[in-house]
Amino acid sequence: DAGVIQSPRHEVTEMGQEVTLRCKPISGHDYLFWYRQTMMRGLELLIYFNNNVPIDDSGMPEDRFSAKMPNASFSTLKIQPSEPRDSAVYFCASSPRVGALTDTQYFGPGTRLTVL
Amino acid sequence: AQKITQTQPGMFVQEKEAVTLDCTYDTSDQSYGLFWYKQPSSGEMIFLIYQGSYDEQNATEGRYSLNFQKARKSANLVISASQLGDSAMYFCAMREGRGGFQKLVFGTGTRLLVSP
Repeated sequence: DAGVIQSPRHEVTEMGQEVTLRCKPISGHDYLFWYRQTMMRGLELLIYFNNNVPIDDSGMPEDRFSAKMPNASFSTLKIQPSEPRDSAVYFCASSPRVGALTDTQYFGPGTRLTVL
Repeated sequence: AQKITQTQPGMFVQEKEAVTLDCTYDTSDQSYGLFWYKQPSSGEMIFLIYQGSYDEQNATEGRYSLNFQKARKSANLVISASQLGDSAMYFCAMREGRGGFQKLVFGTGTRLLVSP
């Protein structure tokens, strides 16, 4: 089975530009998570979806960040306008369910974003 | 207080030797789960092993085992017979069991370097 797919793997953009990151979760997984990884703050949960519905976006840093999940097989994380401090690795993860302690999240390869 | 503490920023081991990566956690819950993930230089986060707070035996997955000492609140990862491909960052994470969705909280990671 294919794992979580993310695109692009690398993105370099200039400050002020719009950036869109894409994710395809593992088929059959009802939960999708977006994380950000930086040296300073480690791995942070930004938002998660259940059955395409955003459940908790309390980790989204600012209004410049938005995420959508139009269907069960696709999600986007958008940054508009981007700033240099947004430079990080953004991970998408999916899980078949949550609520049990054993529920494991499976991560995609990440998108390394550099904002100049 | 940090929920997950990994005190070893870097570890070195020779090929074929065993290595222990430390992880301590802080929780007042009786029900929780502990996870280890591997992040190679390619960037993806790979799930390795899970330990539940009520599990009586230490978890094992191939060359990976978890040395779970509940009273000390430690969940150290033991890698036996290290291989060059084990060189990577290793993250310990915890989920607490307060019901509903509880996010994974990650430690800051330990970089393992396996030398020939």
